[in-house]
Amino acid sequence: GAVVSQHPSWVICKSGTSVKIECRSLDFQATTMFWYRQFPKQSLMLMATSNEGSKATYEQGVEKDKFLINHASLTLSTLTVTSAHPEDSSFYICSARDRVWPESYEQYFGPGTRLTVT
Amino acid sequence: TQLLEQSPQFLSIQEGENLTVYCNSSSVFSSLQWYRQEPGEGPVLLVTVVTGGEVKKLKRLTFQFGDARKDSSLHITAAQPGDTGLYLCAGRNSGGSNYKLTFGKGTLLTVNP
Repeated sequence: GAVVSQHPSWVICKSGTSVKIECRSLDFQATTMFWYRQFPKQSLMLMATSNEGSKATYEQGVEKDKFLINHASLTLSTLTVTSAHPEDSSFYICSARDRVWPESYEQYFGPGTRLTVT
Repeated sequence: TQLLEQSPQFLSIQEGENLTVYCNSSSVFSSLQWYRQEPGEGPVLLVTVVTGGEVKKLKRLTFQFGDARKDSSLHITAAQPGDTGLYLCAGRNSGGSNYKLTFGKGTLLTVNP
């Protein structure tokens, strides 16, 4: 089956520093990847849609200069949280759509990255 | 903006009981998916429903898509402690080209032994 990995699985950083999270599709190519944010016991909130080779599309209220997204290849998208603050602490999850099946309904989710900003 | 209302938000039941989780919207969705998520992990897809009125069964789980494709339900029969988790419904928007999913707020299910 389609597998999506994320790295790191958890990270602790100091306030003011930047953190990069990777999302990889391991056995398929993904033209589109999605980045979500999830607070404890709450649902997923879409932050942005990442398209390979083009700029990401951010949801309303998400600061594009703070959450930098790069989708440089068909198997890798990165989310960089710049100048992180404690309120950025959250569970970040990515998902990917299989390029081969453009009409596929499914997004394959990664295992998530727990970010804690101290 | 298409919204999905999911209910109940929290549900705590005893092992062996039945339960139903609802997902409702005023909008039509091309398809609707149900996910289960455990703490510290990503969501795992349970089922995708596409056709209005469709019913799918996955062991003790029964999923139904409303005739108008605006609502869906998940029914669990004889719940077990292993069913504990966050259940999420997600609708794929009609039209558009990026296949964004709209998630409901989730139902946190606890099945007590």
